[in-house]
Amino acid sequence: GEKVEQHESTLSVREGDSAVINCTYTDTASSYFPWYKQEAGKSLHFVIDIRSNVDRKQSQRLIVLLDKKAKRFSLHITATQPEDSAIYFCAASVGDNSKLIWGLGTSLVVNP
Amino acid sequence: DMKVTQMPRYLIKRMGENVLLECGQDMSHETMYWYRQDPGLGLQLIYISYDVDSNSEGDIPKGYRVSRKKREHFSLILDSAKTNQTSVYFCASSLTGPQAPLFGEGTRLSVL
Repeated sequence: GEKVEQHESTLSVREGDSAVINCTYTDTASSYFPWYKQEAGKSLHFVIDIRSNVDRKQSQRLIVLLDKKAKRFSLHITATQPEDSAIYFCAASVGDNSKLIWGLGTSLVVNP
Repeated sequence: DMKVTQMPRYLIKRMGENVLLECGQDMSHETMYWYRQDPGLGLQLIYISYDVDSNSEGDIPKGYRVSRKKREHFSLILDSAKTNQTSVYFCASSLTGPQAPLFGEGTRLSVL
């Protein structure tokens, strides 16, 4: 079946540095790629997304890049803060497009 | 206020008992989802519903069934719960098409 692979299971950065989380997908028809943040013991919250008609999107300190040829997309968090510490999930649309395939998550720790 | 509400938040059941998890949303979203989240396995789709009485199996439907009689309400039923159904269950909803789902706060189910 189709898969989304999230390459970093854990990531540790110093406050103020940038963090990059990389995901690859297998379905060439995938057209929508959202990212979610999950703090310990809490639910998943949407942070940013990108659609296949663009290759870059920015929302404040978050940047998403999409490389359709390589079937790769990445989340860049600039000027990290301790409150950015959480698990981040990437996902890609598949099939009828209402379905998403999820990565296994990256645990980001921002050290003060 | 856009919200997905799950009830109950915590539930302890004995093996063999029936379980009903309820989910409501106030945005008139057509699509609703039930996921379970287990450590190391990420988010697994149990069922997806495209609208009232229009439900489709996800990746792990065995042991579960769903009911959607009103657009705002989506139930997950475990008939004769098993210990391996101990998990955190998330309901989510979205507009039709590739859109970022909005997640509920989750139900933590323990089957003893």
